[in-house]
Amino acid sequence: DAGVIQSPRHEVTEMGQEVTLRCKPISGHDYLFWYRQTMMRGLELLIYFNNNVPIDDSGMPEDRFSAKMPNASFSTLKIQPSEPRDSAVYFCASSSQGSPLHFGNGTRLTVT
Amino acid sequence: SQKIEQNSEALNIQEGKTATLTCNYTNYSPAYLQWYRQDPGRGPVFLLLIRENEKEKRKERLKVTFDTTLKQSLFHITASQPADSATYLCALPLWGGSQGNLIFGKGTKLSVKP
Repeated sequence: DAGVIQSPRHEVTEMGQEVTLRCKPISGHDYLFWYRQTMMRGLELLIYFNNNVPIDDSGMPEDRFSAKMPNASFSTLKIQPSEPRDSAVYFCASSSQGSPLHFGNGTRLTVT
Repeated sequence: SQKIEQNSEALNIQEGKTATLTCNYTNYSPAYLQWYRQDPGRGPVFLLLIRENEKEKRKERLKVTFDTTLKQSLFHITASQPADSATYLCALPLWGGSQGNLIFGKGTKLSVKP
């Protein structure tokens, strides 16, 4: 099993640009989570899906952030327009009922 | 709302000693609590889960305790090795026993010196 796969590993963009982060969960997992990690705030849950349906998006900072899960093997997190304060490491994680989270290795986003 | 505090940002110990990391929470007692390890540039990796009715859980050199009265979990690494150097995160469910909707502490960075 390849684990949770995230792309890109690093993204550098200018303020105002659109950023799309991608995630492929572990096959068979029916929960998918997007987290953001910064030194100041640690790991924060942004949104999670169950069976491709968004369950809780209360952690999404504002309308500039959106997430989709068009099928069981793919999810995107989009930021439009991006701002310097969005700079962070974004993690995707997946799990099945009763199992712990399996994280990808993250996307380090820098917005200049 | 639930808050998690991991008391030490960093812990430095000598190889062979026991490392003890602390995780405190402030509000409701969760159905379970988890510990993860994170290495630089990598995502967190699950280590152990302990349920509210379990006082202690062991896995090789790792031991976790869970005291719902003190609202505290302790994470021990015995006979520590330099390879144990990493950041350790505790996590608990945001709402009671909700599946996987975890909140995380900020972590304790452990450094084991040879």
